Amino acid sequence: DADVTQTPRNRITKTGKRIMLECSQTKGHDRMYWYRQDPGLGLRLIYYSFDVKDINKGEISDGYSVSRQAQAKFSLSLESAIPNQTALYFCATSDTHSSGTYNEQFFGPGTRLTVL
Amino acid sequence: AQSVTQLGSHVSVSEGALVLLRCNYSSSVPPYLFWYVQYPNQGLQLLLKYTTGATLVKGINGFEAEFKKSETSFHLTKPSAHMSDAAEYFCAVSDNYGGATNKLIFGTGTLLAVQP
Repeated sequence: DADVTQTPRNRITKTGKRIMLECSQTKGHDRMYWYRQDPGLGLRLIYYSFDVKDINKGEISDGYSVSRQAQAKFSLSLESAIPNQTALYFCATSDTHSSGTYNEQFFGPGTRLTVL
Repeated sequence: AQSVTQLGSHVSVSEGALVLLRCNYSSSVPPYLFWYVQYPNQGLQLLLKYTTGATLVKGINGFEAEFKKSETSFHLTKPSAHMSDAAEYFCAVSDNYGGATNKLIFGTGTLLAVQP
């Protein structure tokens, strides 16, 4: 089974609808991240969480919210979806580390969201 | 603020030819640098990383990259391309100096095509 799973894998919705994308991990990592990928723009960080009680905005958080229900689960919500939120969304996890070191981020398979 | 520039959004090589994907970074502090690969319909996978120490870094699948501080570059190379190398490649930098945020700043990606 995959270590980082995302549901759904594909979703088509209409403008104004509320959408939730879910991410679960079995790696036991404390840190989780949500990115969106757009053609020609690479990946951009939406939100990140260092533990259940620590949630932080990334560079493009407007229009999104998140919930860290447990160490293993991190959900991304679009309260009122709009067409320019059409993108590929990735969840990632990493282990906690001390200053001056780096721990690899592990990515889920992605959710392709289309907002009509 | 840190940033990454990948020169060439599309690169095409013949099977057996040298692969060179270019990445330049901007950082006011010593950077951590990464190359990720994304195969079609999959999430991102870490190819290699530079944190400290040896500036020539070897990764998976025969890829390597060299950190050149004077040129602010971290170009990815492979001596002989294989059809299975066709994918999108992302260079990334981490703003991890002095703290422990582990956030990644991605470049816009380079799509590598390998011709038979």
